[in-house]
Amino acid sequence: NAGVTQTPKFQVLKTGQSMTLQCAQDMNHEYMSWYRQDPGMGLRLIHYSVGAGITDQGEVPNGYNVSRSTTEDFPLRLLSAAPSQTSVYFCASSYTTATGYTFGSGTRLTVV
Amino acid sequence: AQKVTQAQTEISVVEKEDVTLDCVYETRDTTYYLFWYKQPPSGELVFLIRRNSFDEQNEISGRYSWNFQKSTSSFNFTITASQVVDSAVYFCARKGADGLTFGKGTHLIIQP
Repeated sequence: NAGVTQTPKFQVLKTGQSMTLQCAQDMNHEYMSWYRQDPGMGLRLIHYSVGAGITDQGEVPNGYNVSRSTTEDFPLRLLSAAPSQTSVYFCASSYTTATGYTFGSGTRLTVV
Repeated sequence: AQKVTQAQTEISVVEKEDVTLDCVYETRDTTYYLFWYKQPPSGELVFLIRRNSFDEQNEISGRYSWNFQKSTSSFNFTITASQVVDSAVYFCARKGADGLTFGKGTHLIIQP
């Protein structure tokens, strides 16, 4: 039982490049979400999914894309990286939207 | 947006002192959930507690206790006899119809 697995742990991108942050969970959780953490800002919701085939925007969705083709996977795509997207990204999952959330270990992204 | 406010940006105490971390939330929902998470220097997010809006009983878990008061929209967290290992950033969060909203966190420093 691996919980929530995020890859990569670290990434450096050049402005304008695209990439996908991977998130996988093996707990059969329906609810998955992506957050970004910036100094002094707490965690802010980017996108979330309440089940396979269903996604919705959170507080800061611009510049990011998601899809949920399976229950296990919820990748986050940066379409054209910008320095403002330099952040630590966390993926989280939960059995329902009301139960405790399990977070991945995070991806530290730097855009230069 | 319905905010979660953690007014204490940083708290520093000497080991064995008791310390309380404040959390005040806004909500228009009848049903909502409150959470506390711990983020140690290693960076992962550790789930501590979940409380639903219908359960105002205080909870104690070892040296940790939580005081939920709907009348003041507060969900405060107390660590008794603090230890150096309690040093971390602590986040309060609220889950309502609009998703999971985090406070900006309180950096707790326990000095030996």
